Amino acid sequence: DIVMTQSPDSLAVSLGERATVNCKSSQSVLYSSNNKNYLAWYQQKPGQPPKLLIYWASTRESGVPDRFSGSGSGTDFTLTISSLQAEDVAVYFCQQYYGLPFTFGPGTKVDIK
Amino acid sequence: QVQLQESGPGLVKPSETLSLTCTVSGGSISSYFWYWIRQPPGKGLEWIGYIYDSGSTSYNPSLKSRVTMSVDTSKNQFSLKLSSVTAADTAVYYCARSMPEDFYSWFDPWGQGTLVTVSS
Repeated sequence: DIVMTQSPDSLAVSLGERATVNCKSSQSVLYSSNNKNYLAWYQQKPGQPPKLLIYWASTRESGVPDRFSGSGSGTDFTLTISSLQAEDVAVYFCQQYYGLPFTFGPGTKVDIK
Repeated sequence: QVQLQESGPGLVKPSETLSLTCTVSGGSISSYFWYWIRQPPGKGLEWIGYIYDSGSTSYNPSLKSRVTMSVDTSKNQFSLKLSSVTAADTAVYYCARSMPEDFYSWFDPWGQGTLVTVSS
């Protein structure tokens, strides 16, 4: 199985400041034939299902605010919230869909400082 | 806009079989892969498996011996059965959809989830 790790476990950022969440996979999730990274990011608020934010490591889902961005390739990825808003308080998960079984990172809790 | 809704018993006894159904509305079940994912209370997410509209399946090896998925295209529904449950199977169970025609996909949209508790 591809093991996904995330750092930090939690972080607190002031409103309007940048929040950065890191995700690392135990093997590359870059598929050489199409040069795509099989990596997605989700946001989960209490009592709600995860919401897709980013796929192909850096493609923002329709309707997701542009303060959310994804970057990275191979085994190291980053989700950045450029200017944290109150409604961004949530747990963020990365997920690889490169190999079966699909696996998720353990999550990073983002809160307001 | 496609919506998914899980349904089934919220309480299952140990050693019995958990059975859930996901109803797809606002779109066809055809040409997509359909997933089950679970999340124990306060914990992370675990992919259980997928089913295609043809009935083709793939299960997480960690659960493979106990999982059966099926699809009913006439009702726009797909189902999950998990046998010989224990307290470790207590979780919120979600259903979700793939991108068109490819199971190597992110999950979107998701159902709201249903909490299944395993207890006598």
